[in-house]
Amino acid sequence: RKEVEQDPGPFNVPEGATVAFNCTYSNSASQSFFWYRQDCRKEPKLLMSVYSSGNEDGRFTAQLNRASQYISLLIRDSKLSDSATYLCVVNIRDNFNKFYFGSGTKLNVKP
Amino acid sequence: DGGITQSPKYLFRKEGQNVTLSCEQNLNHDAMYWYRQDPGQGLRLIYYSQIVNDFQKGDIAEGYSVSREKKESFPLTVTSAQKNPTAFYLCASYRGPRYGYTFGSGTRLTVV
Repeated sequence: RKEVEQDPGPFNVPEGATVAFNCTYSNSASQSFFWYRQDCRKEPKLLMSVYSSGNEDGRFTAQLNRASQYISLLIRDSKLSDSATYLCVVNIRDNFNKFYFGSGTKLNVKP
Repeated sequence: DGGITQSPKYLFRKEGQNVTLSCEQNLNHDAMYWYRQDPGQGLRLIYYSQIVNDFQKGDIAEGYSVSREKKESFPLTVTSAQKNPTAFYLCASYRGPRYGYTFGSGTRLTVV
């Protein structure tokens, strides 16, 4: 079983739409959670960390549900520039900081 | 500006040839990582290093080797033992529990 699972998509949405991605993780010892954004043929870049109480950054809202072991990302008022692959990342601190990456959810925002 | 520099951006390898991918950081981060990304797949950990002169195998270390002689540098060698090396290789350093990783811009390796 993969440590982190995401729906690969693609999610095809019109500009202005609200879209939500979910991600599940298997290790209950996971301690830190992140959403990264990866543009085509580029490196992943941190979009936002995910905190237990949930957090918002502009049009982006992240939620964490430890009991059900899932993380969500909500994007409101989608822009064409939001088109990318969104990676769910989980940090499990054993004897070092190891990060597990989901395979990503692809978002296409259409005019 | 601080960051991670990977070179080259594109690399072509002939069958049976060893190649080395460069990763340099000026962020003063202790921990560095090498990941491989294949199309449609998540990142997979090849090697990591927590401090100078120490490194550990990740999940897919076979056919790869690394060194960590300086804090700033963590080169990856793809050896001829790696049978399917064509992939996108990403080097990262650890920023802390709040910010996760910083990535370099990657090296795209193709076997010709």
